[in-house]
Amino acid sequence: EVQLLESGGGLVQPGGSLRLSCAASGLSISSYAMYWVRQAPGKGLEWVSGIRGSGRKTYYADSVKGRFTISRDNSKETVSLQMSSLRVEDTAVYYCARDVVGGSHSYFYGMDVWGQGTTVTVSS
Amino acid sequence: QSALTQPPSASGSPGQSVTISCTGTSSDVGGYNYVSWYQHHPGTAPRLVIFEVNKRPSGVPDRFSGSKSDDTASLTVAGLQAEDEADYYCSSYTDSNTLVVFGGGTKLTVL
Repeated sequence: EVQLLESGGGLVQPGGSLRLSCAASGLSISSYAMYWVRQAPGKGLEWVSGIRGSGRKTYYADSVKGRFTISRDNSKETVSLQMSSLRVEDTAVYYCARDVVGGSHSYFYGMDVWGQGTTVTVSS
Repeated sequence: QSALTQPPSASGSPGQSVTISCTGTSSDVGGYNYVSWYQHHPGTAPRLVIFEVNKRPSGVPDRFSGSKSDDTASLTVAGLQAEDEADYYCSSYTDSNTLVVFGGGTKLTVL
């Protein structure tokens, strides 16, 4: 079965850290840009971060810049999101997703494969 | 406040058509043909229904179509069915340093 599997979510106190992982199963992600998208309770989807297939270029939403770091290990077909200085407003379901178009490009075409999400709760 | 503007709600009766708009700027929707649309049922993973303005992934019914005029993109769902009731989000490439912007979402109700 083709799927992305997120893990690493949980309960953390404000100011704490958490590392999310996304593993590919039944599909390759090594040549694709990968993204993290979140949905806070009662809110819409919010794009969080992205990384090119090579890993050499990363992108962040202003709301997480300087606190979150995206990385990837193409040999293991995994993508990670290191989250630090967490805030209550970071509470959300976090999804990883793959770009529609693989290979080397500089754009965002859309996200065609999504994981089921992992829940992050930031609370004291 | 989302970077792309969508109406919060839309509705239609079974068999009817409904169109959802998504307004951005020349830095995103208006400047590039990289608009995508997602269907999201609560508790499930979002589903891509349109990419590159008007392309459908395999498995998406041709009842779903996309278009764009200037800074506004649109998603049309024809022949509404009960299972089309969901939240719909647009997104776009942006030439700002963030790469991607989303709309705030539109809740589609099938009456």
